[in-house]
Amino acid sequence: AQTVTQSQPEMSVQEAETVTLSCTYDTSENNYYLFWYKQPPSRQMILVIRQEAYKQQNATENRFSVNFQKAAKSFSLKISDSQLGDTAMYFCAFTFRTGANNLFFGTGTRLTVIP
Amino acid sequence: ETGVTQTPRHLVMGMTNKKSLKCEQHLGHNAMYWYKQSAKKPLELMFVYSLEERVENNSVPSRFSPECPNSSHLFLHLHTLQPEDSALYLCASSQMIVAVGSGNTIYFGEGSWLTVV
Repeated sequence: AQTVTQSQPEMSVQEAETVTLSCTYDTSENNYYLFWYKQPPSRQMILVIRQEAYKQQNATENRFSVNFQKAAKSFSLKISDSQLGDTAMYFCAFTFRTGANNLFFGTGTRLTVIP
Repeated sequence: ETGVTQTPRHLVMGMTNKKSLKCEQHLGHNAMYWYKQSAKKPLELMFVYSLEERVENNSVPSRFSPECPNSSHLFLHLHTLQPEDSALYLCASSQMIVAVGSGNTIYFGEGSWLTVV
C-alpha cells in the first residue's frame, strides 16, 4: 500500500523567513512522482511543485524548492521569503509514473505566515 | 477563473433528500475525478472518468452515484446520505488519465461543502 505522512499538522513562520514542511512516503515502486499542493481558504487545490523520482536534482519553483531524498523516502518543501499569501494547507502527494489514476495525499500541514 | 467550476459551493441536506453536485471543466481535459476531503484525513479518490467512461470506483457506497454526460461535465448524485458523509467534495480534471504525474497535472475545483443533517 502507498502512504504519505505529514507529521506536522500545523506550522507558523514569520513573514520573509524560511520554513520547511516535512513529508515522508512509503512505496515499493521505483518510478513515481511527488507533488506539493497548496489549499488556500478558497479550498481550491493548487499545484506548487512536482518532482520526478528518477531525477536526482531537486525541483525548484521560484520561492519553493524541495529536498528529495529517495533512499529515505523523504520529500520536504522549503518556502523561502514567506509571504502572507502563503498561508494555506499544504498537501504532499504521490502517484505512480505509469498507469496511475490516483494521487495519494497526506493529511496536510496548516501553515500560517505571521506578519 | 479556476478552469474547474463546482456548484453549489455549499449544500445542506437531510438524510432522506436527493441532491446533486455539479462540476464543469473549461480546460478541454479528457479525465475527471471526484475526491472526498474529510477533516484530518487524506483526500480520498471516489471516482475517475476517462472520456465519459467510469474507470475507477474506489469502494464508494451506492448512495453516491456519479454521472459524466460529456467530457466537460461531471455530476455526483446524492441519496439517503449519512451524517458521516459530511465533507468537502472536490472535483478535478486532467488532460489524460494515465501517467498523471508526467506533465499531466490534475486541476482541482474549489469544492462543494456538504453537510448532512
